[in-house]
Amino acid sequence: GENVEQHPSTLSVQEGDSAVIKCTYSDSASNYFPWYKQELGKRPQLIIDIRSNVGEKKDQRIAVTLNKTAKHFSLHITETQPEDSAVYFCAAKGRAAGNKLTFGGGTRVLVKP
Amino acid sequence: NAGVTQTPKFQVLKTGQSMTLQCAQDMNHNSMYWYRQDPGMGLRLIYYSASEGTTDKGEVPNGYNVSRLNKREFSLRLESAAPSQTSVYFCASSGLAAGGTDTQYFGPGTRLTVL
Repeated sequence: GENVEQHPSTLSVQEGDSAVIKCTYSDSASNYFPWYKQELGKRPQLIIDIRSNVGEKKDQRIAVTLNKTAKHFSLHITETQPEDSAVYFCAAKGRAAGNKLTFGGGTRVLVKP
Repeated sequence: NAGVTQTPKFQVLKTGQSMTLQCAQDMNHNSMYWYRQDPGMGLRLIYYSASEGTTDKGEVPNGYNVSRLNKREFSLRLESAAPSQTSVYFCASSGLAAGGTDTQYFGPGTRLTVL
């Protein structure tokens, strides 16, 4: 089955700086890659996603890039703000039916004011 | 629309007790999922239902059973709870009836403690 690895596990940045989180996946047939943000005690919420036919997608201060050849994708957050502090999860949808996602282990991001 | 709802929000069980976690969605989604999230960890899939009438095992199914009662509801049952099942349980759904989407929407979670 699909295996997703996420790095780093923790990330501390100064407010206004950029943050980058990287994920690698194992199933070359995976075609959908969402990113979720989870605040303390809350549910995961989708912040951005990308499909395998696209190399980059941007939404205001967040962007995701996908390199299918290398089987990795990254989340970029620019001009970080304290409210960006949370745990971020990447995921990949492999071959199996049911839109089943495999999640990375998460990155705890702390934005210091 | 309420989205994905879960009951209860919190539960404390003694080892060996049984309980059922309830999940419902009002988005007319075909697929539903149950995950567990241990402290400081990622999300691990327990069971999923690709469509009404079907269920399948995920990554960590041992100790759990599920029922897809109808298109809206997907329940998770612990027959004999163990302390290792202490976790936060999230239900999710995806897939519009027309068009389709991969996006999974999560419920608020059930925080379960087994003593």
